[in-house]
Amino acid sequence: EDQVTQSPEALRLQEGESSSLNCSYTVSGLRGLFWYRQDPGKGPEFLFTLYSAGEEKEKERLKATLTKKESFLHITAPKPEDSATYLCAVRNQAGTALIFGKGTTLSVSS
Amino acid sequence: GAGVSQSPSNKVTEKGKDVELRCDPISGHTALYWYRQSLGQGLEFLIYFQGNSAPDKSGLPSDRFSAERTGGSVSTLTIQRTQQEDSAVYLCASSRGRAGGYEQYFGPGTRLTVT
Repeated sequence: EDQVTQSPEALRLQEGESSSLNCSYTVSGLRGLFWYRQDPGKGPEFLFTLYSAGEEKEKERLKATLTKKESFLHITAPKPEDSATYLCAVRNQAGTALIFGKGTTLSVSS
Repeated sequence: GAGVSQSPSNKVTEKGKDVELRCDPISGHTALYWYRQSLGQGLEFLIYFQGNSAPDKSGLPSDRFSAERTGGSVSTLTIQRTQQEDSAVYLCASSRGRAGGYEQYFGPGTRLTVT
């Protein structure tokens, strides 16, 4: 059964304190791993798609990496505006849906 | 450009009533998805539409839930005889689909409260 597990559930950082969020996945044939950001009361906002092990993508202070079993979202020198819930997802076997993890809630204080 | 829009943004209904939730996808996106997000739970897939193909309804939790997509664009999710456990945020997403691009873009959601 396809499954996505994110850790930690919650992470508190000081402004400028870099860290990483983990997404472990179990899927028969990866067809894409997706990272989203979700602010309270809003829908998820697309960040990155990764398709093969070794692939990396960057956007501002965020960098996503992928191995055969997990993905990391690295946050470099975070700012308070990076506070949000970060969601990881994989496409299901049929290609008809995303299977989401429960997310990591990041709080960055100044 | 315009993103995915959903209406209403909030809906409060009494147990046993029927509700309809609407989704307007991004223009040109052929794939449309409905998800449900409950407190403490992840996003749960409900249904998928791709062009004129038969929808994937495998995520619908019961036969009280149904959805349609008219003219390959607007979609309506209907919940009949609502129950308290139906309270959640219902999210709609769209993507370019097979035409190129599986990234799903989400609307703001409809918060449904069943009293």
